[in-house]
Amino acid sequence: IQVTQSPSSLSASVGDRVSITCRATETTTTYLNWYQQKPGKAPELLIYGASTLHRGVPSRFSGSGSGTEFTLTITSLQPEDFATYYCQQSYDSPRTFGQGTRLDLK
Amino acid sequence: QVQLVESGGGVVQPGRSLRLSCTASKFAFSNFAVFWVRQAPGKGLEWVADISPEGREKYHSDSVRGRFTISRDNSENTVYLEMKSLRSDDTAVYFCVREKRELRFAYYFDLWGQGTQVTVSS
Repeated sequence: IQVTQSPSSLSASVGDRVSITCRATETTTTYLNWYQQKPGKAPELLIYGASTLHRGVPSRFSGSGSGTEFTLTITSLQPEDFATYYCQQSYDSPRTFGQGTRLDLK
Repeated sequence: QVQLVESGGGVVQPGRSLRLSCTASKFAFSNFAVFWVRQAPGKGLEWVADISPEGREKYHSDSVRGRFTISRDNSENTVYLEMKSLRSDDTAVYFCVREKRELRFAYYFDLWGQGTQVTVSS
């Protein structure tokens, strides 16, 4: 199963609301996860099961979707949110990642 | 604390070998599948290999199959990645990752190591 993210990059300002889309070539039901990665660091889990927030993740992050189309939304962007975001399907092996969406400060 | 720590990376010439280790702390290691995921400079995340909790099932990506081998020793809480015939395109940060499985709900990578750098260069 291939997953494709859009956009590949995004510029926004503190306080903005942004959305990132992830599309799979086949259904993944809700076996879709989102990760955040900052430069020089390992990725960190944000959302699993398409919409469940991992512990400690702020509520301004949310995920939605099922089947083949998913969305990560960040409301009221904070300075620490500027990073790269990856979706990943875990419905089938091999686990595959989207190519990433780089979110930077406008 | 609960963690995964990778070691064994370094600079190696093309065609040579390297063994990465990933040691787990403070959780029931033998209950979890473990994955290796790599990230080439400036690139995205790429699955490399994974191994089932008891070590019976092992999978490798097409790009490394026949050259890399994943294994684990649950008595030592450690997963290994034996890498042979290394190529320049194997240059990457290699992350060890735990997959949490909530049956019929979600499988996800909830614990990542800090990564170890592998550089293949003459």
